[in-house]
Amino acid sequence: DAGVTQSPTHLIKTRGQQVTLRCSPKSGHDTVSWYQQALGQGPQFIFQYYEEEERQRGNFPDRFSGHQFPNYSSELNVNALLLGDSALYLCASSPGGSWDYGYTFGSGTRLTVV
Amino acid sequence: AQTVTQSQPEMSVQEAETVTLSCTYDTSESDYYLFWYKQPPSRQMILVIRQEAYKQQNATENRFSVNFQKAAKSFSLKISDSQLGDAAMYFCAYRSTTSGTYKYIFGTGTRLKVLA
Repeated sequence: DAGVTQSPTHLIKTRGQQVTLRCSPKSGHDTVSWYQQALGQGPQFIFQYYEEEERQRGNFPDRFSGHQFPNYSSELNVNALLLGDSALYLCASSPGGSWDYGYTFGSGTRLTVV
Repeated sequence: AQTVTQSQPEMSVQEAETVTLSCTYDTSESDYYLFWYKQPPSRQMILVIRQEAYKQQNATENRFSVNFQKAAKSFSLKISDSQLGDAAMYFCAYRSTTSGTYKYIFGTGTRLKVLA
């Protein structure tokens, strides 16, 4: 049973460029959340997608956008990259429902902006 | 707004010994979830243990147990019989049960070193 799959694993971009990160959730999970983890910090919530809609957003600028597809996979897009966007981007999936049994995380995409 | 604090940036433990990692949080809510996640060098965050705030009983998962003190807003993780594979970053996380709130709030982490 495949867990959460993220691609690519590493990425180097130039300031001002745009980037798309991809995530396939664990089988049976329909909810996808994205987190940004700066070096030496805990993950920070970007947004969560459920039923193809963004249902909660963290304190991130509009340069960060996302999408969820009918098969529950998700993309995170970041426009006009800044040096400060360099971080590990984590995707986490979970099943829908009232109870929270915790996320299943992917191994992340390491984004470096130069 | 809720906050999560992990005041120990780094801890060390001898193999086979017991270690306790601290976590405190601030909230005005009465019902919420608390989690401990482990992040090894592979970067993948792995769920270690979860606690529902309305449950008085402390959660346990094999060698991992928590000491949940709701009034003190404390949620420490005890690792018994430490193994080399336990070496990792450990993050404490909080999640509100307020309708429309789904995000986890993470602490800054504690790096655990296990000495052979």
